Amino acid sequence: DGGITQSPKYLFRKEGQNVTLSCEQNLNHDAMYWYRQDPGQGLRLIYYSQIVNDFQKGDIAEGYSVSREKKESFPLTVTSAQKNPTAFYLCASSMGRSRGDQPQHFGDGTRLSIL
Amino acid sequence: QKEVEQNSGPLSVPEGAIASLNCTYSDRGSQSFFWYRQYSGKSPELIMFIYSNGDKEDGRFTAQLNKASQYVSLLIRDSQPSDSATYLCAFKGASNFGNEKLTFGTGTRLTIIP
Repeated sequence: DGGITQSPKYLFRKEGQNVTLSCEQNLNHDAMYWYRQDPGQGLRLIYYSQIVNDFQKGDIAEGYSVSREKKESFPLTVTSAQKNPTAFYLCASSMGRSRGDQPQHFGDGTRLSIL
Repeated sequence: QKEVEQNSGPLSVPEGAIASLNCTYSDRGSQSFFWYRQYSGKSPELIMFIYSNGDKEDGRFTAQLNKASQYVSLLIRDSQPSDSATYLCAFKGASNFGNEKLTFGTGTRLTIIP
């Protein structure tokens, strides 16, 4: 089935540790996004990528890093510089700007907590 | 002024009635509007999208867009308990021409009362 797969579903981070969240899609979408959602809050954009080997900072990029080496994959690293990483992380994808205004579709999310 | 405003609720509606969810936005150049449903603990799921002024219907859902008044609404007819969720509106603003960045509201929590 086509879709967006995020792993792991739950992740725990120790003090001073970097952790990487995986996002893979088989929808042949050009654009991919990472959001953070805190309890009772809306979605805040961390990073987005419109094409392979290119990505841009969103509204809250500090303490995070990404790569886009393959069209299907857009991993997010939460570094030790991110002092408040506990949140629900959502990956999304869309067809890409060449197709007009297309909706974004989401993976199931990863819940990150501090140990 | 916030870019997008939604009543956080909770909005309680009797089963079988019409639920009306509203979203106002500040960017007059906004082009595309989306409604997502998010069950507790789950990820958002696309319900509707609308690009032109007027109504767009899909089953029990109707999206209404009024660009002059800068609001978008979602109507849910014959509300069911399974419609109980948080509904997020999102839009693509004029400042995002050339990319597909969306701005999300904080969501309205809807409860359907059996």
